Parts: sequence; structure tokens; C-alpha cells
Amino acid sequence: DAKTTQPPSMDCAEGRAANLPCNHSTISGNEYVYWYRQIHSQGPQYIIHGLKNNETNEMASLIITEDRKSSTLILPHATLRDTAVYYCIVRANTGTASKLTFGTGTRLQVTL
Amino acid sequence: DSGVTQTPKHLITATGQRVTLRCSPRSGDLSVYWYQQSLDQGLQFLIQYYNGEERAKGNILERFSAQQFPDLHSELNLSSLELGDSALYFCASSVGGGGATGELFFGEGSRLTVL
Repeated sequence: DAKTTQPPSMDCAEGRAANLPCNHSTISGNEYVYWYRQIHSQGPQYIIHGLKNNETNEMASLIITEDRKSSTLILPHATLRDTAVYYCIVRANTGTASKLTFGTGTRLQVTL
Repeated sequence: DSGVTQTPKHLITATGQRVTLRCSPRSGDLSVYWYQQSLDQGLQFLIQYYNGEERAKGNILERFSAQQFPDLHSELNLSSLELGDSALYFCASSVGGGGATGELFFGEGSRLTVL
């Protein structure tokens, strides 16, 4: 699976959009981009995933660049409860085991 | 609530001992994954089972073993425990095995403290 690079930490004011970048310049054509978050020692929580097109669900939006070498997770109106470590993961779905390989993620701090 | 149940939530034991962590996956999920999270290592993949068979192995020590039973619950056995085994152990489940695009659902973890 391709390696990802994320900033170690970010701050965001409550009510503002949080934009979390991820670089995955070595991504292969069959690899998906996944985002998970972990709130203070709880189990990681799935947020969203995509292959090529931008995706949106009730939690967030995922913007993937046209060359697929980077992506941005957008939390449109961050709240204090969004304070967590956010993991960007690239994973192939080609018939091999579907484990996720977590990196160090971005620690997002949402403040008043 | 992810639907994945892990027991016990907390466990304190001594070096050299053996413990068993249990995981019940979400109803209908065939895959179970085990992860270890210690302060200095982040989330490390240990092993995956799919419908009772081992599907992938990560950085799992020889002192550790796991299995998935016919009812799909899984157990992670940790033996000859060392201080460095103190960590959060997470179980996750998913519908499919290899090749699936589905998400993984994580339990709340079992916190192991080795004294």
C-alpha cells in the first residue's frame, strides 16, 4: 500500500471548516483513499473513502486531486467533538487482505 | 456504538503471565482484525481472520496467537507477557475479506497493563 504524508497537527476554530491535507504521491490506480479518526483512545472510526471522484457523506467531504497524488478531508463545520487524530490511508482492494495500515495521522484540535 | 464488542475493557497482570482478549464482530461480518496501539508505536496491525481462516499477518510476535471460531468471534492470546506488551488492543470487523472496499468497524479496545 502507498505511503501517505500528513501534517502532525492542525488547529481549527469551532464552526469553521477544517481542511486536512494528505499527500499520497505514489498511489497506484487501484488504491483507494480512506479517512479514519480516533478520538482520545477510542476505537478508530471510519469517515469516508474514495477512488477518483470527490465524495461527500453526513460527516465530511473528500476532495481528491485529478492526478490522485493528494487529497483533502473537509469537515464543513467543526465542533469540539471533532477534536481527534485523523488518519489518511491508501489501500488497494485487489483480492489481498483488506487490512488498513495506519500512519501517524494529523492531530486536529478544535477550539472555541 | 460500532457493534464490535471487546472484553475485557481493562486488564492488569504481571510479567510472564498469559491473557486472552475476546472480540465479537458485528452481526454478519466475516473478517476480524487485531491491532495493537502503544504510546510509542501507533496503531500496528497484528493479524486478520476471514471466516475462520488466517488471511493476513502483520507484526505479531510469536508469543501472541489468535483464532476465529465457527461463530466468528475471535480471541487474541498473549503469553509470556513483558512490560512492553502494555497497550490498547483493538479488534475490528468488516463484511468481506480480501478485495473488499467496505469499511472496518473498530471496537472500543482492551487496555492491557503489564506490571
